[in-house]
Amino acid sequence: DAGVTQSPTHLIKTRGQQVTLRCSPKSGHDTVSWYQQALGQGPQFIFQYYEEEERQRGNFPDRFSGHQFPNYSSELNVNALLLGDSALYLCASSPGLAGGRDTQYFGPGTRLTVL
Amino acid sequence: GENVEQHPSTLSVQEGDSAVIKCTYSDSASNYFPWYKQELGKRPQLIIDIRSNVGEKKDQRIAVTLNKTAKHFSLHITETQPEDSAVYFCAASIKSNYQLIWGAGTKLIIKP
Repeated sequence: DAGVTQSPTHLIKTRGQQVTLRCSPKSGHDTVSWYQQALGQGPQFIFQYYEEEERQRGNFPDRFSGHQFPNYSSELNVNALLLGDSALYLCASSPGLAGGRDTQYFGPGTRLTVL
Repeated sequence: GENVEQHPSTLSVQEGDSAVIKCTYSDSASNYFPWYKQELGKRPQLIIDIRSNVGEKKDQRIAVTLNKTAKHFSLHITETQPEDSAVYFCAASIKSNYQLIWGAGTKLIIKP
């Protein structure tokens, strides 16, 4: 049984570009949360999806958007990239209503570097 | 909103000794408190969690205690081993929004 997977592993972009990161949740999980982790800091909550809708959002600008598909996988899109967007982007999945949406298991992350 | 503070930022203990990391939270509506271990360059790994209807939970060498009145919770690691060296994060969430608010992390160093 595969855990949470993310792609790509690493990504290098230039300022102003757009990027899409992908996440597949653990089998049986229906809730996906996205986090940004800057070097040496704790993860910062971006947003959470379940039932194909954004349910909660952290303090991130509208340049950060997402989507959840019927198979529960999810994408994170970032437009107009800034140097400060360079970070590790983590996806976490949760079992859902029955098992708890707050119990979160993380994927390996995507390291985004903006030049 | 919820705020989680974590102490100490760095903890160095002798192998075999115990380690304790403490967190405080601000929102009394918080009801779920997980602890994550993150090794360098790797994903955060859920190691133990506790809900607000429980005061203590143990899993082998790891235990978490919760004091709802004082709004703090702690991670206890006994008989520390070199592989326990990592950054540990506490977090808290409110059932109404499932959003995890994280502490700043504690770098645990196990000295041989």
